[in-house]
Amino acid sequence: TQLLEQSPQFLSIQEGENLTVYCNSSSVFSSLQWYRQEPGEGPVLLVTVVTGGEVKKLKRLTFQFGDARKDSSLHITAAQPGDTGLYLCAGGGIADSWGKLQFGAGTQVVVTP
Amino acid sequence: NAGVTQTPKFQVLKTGQSMTLQCAQDMNHEYMSWYRQDPGMGLRLIHYSVGAGITDQGEVPNGYNVSRSTTEDFPLRLLSAAPSQTSVYFCASSYNRDPNEQFFGPGTRLTVL
Repeated sequence: TQLLEQSPQFLSIQEGENLTVYCNSSSVFSSLQWYRQEPGEGPVLLVTVVTGGEVKKLKRLTFQFGDARKDSSLHITAAQPGDTGLYLCAGGGIADSWGKLQFGAGTQVVVTP
Repeated sequence: NAGVTQTPKFQVLKTGQSMTLQCAQDMNHEYMSWYRQDPGMGLRLIHYSVGAGITDQGEVPNGYNVSRSTTEDFPLRLLSAAPSQTSVYFCASSYNRDPNEQFFGPGTRLTVL
């Protein structure tokens, strides 16, 4: 059973469109990370959110952490082909789980020119 | 810095064979971990270590052994490979002050026949 549920599983859009990826859980996390993974490579950390209600921006990417620290979203504005990849959310800090990072199954994003 | 390196990149084993997946990092990170990634399941934690001489089990430890004799190296051993261990394996490292912000290696694709 995945502690973190990501939706949608797959998203295909055209260049210039906006998209949002969701990461939901019934558990409270001390922090939540978003990673992006490209084919044949390991995940790369994009951002960490720590405070409930926090919003972080990374160029055209906007990350939100829910007030209750149970969910998060990633919004991409004016997507580009270079945004194509598998987006993974991960959470840590559940009771007695220090060091045990939980990952969602990922959202595959494809941006076509 | 080379970051996190993994060898080999690809490996094919027969059922019952043993092998060791190598992982090394040159960032002086205390925390290191091993994950497996299977389609539709995200990354699942196998074992992790918070420093030389200290290891602990993750979510799916059965069939795998680890040891950590130095800060730099964290090998993963499969004692008797099974087809269910066919997967992509990732090693990651981070500072203990925030084990969730992990740097990943490029992965090892293992097939067990």
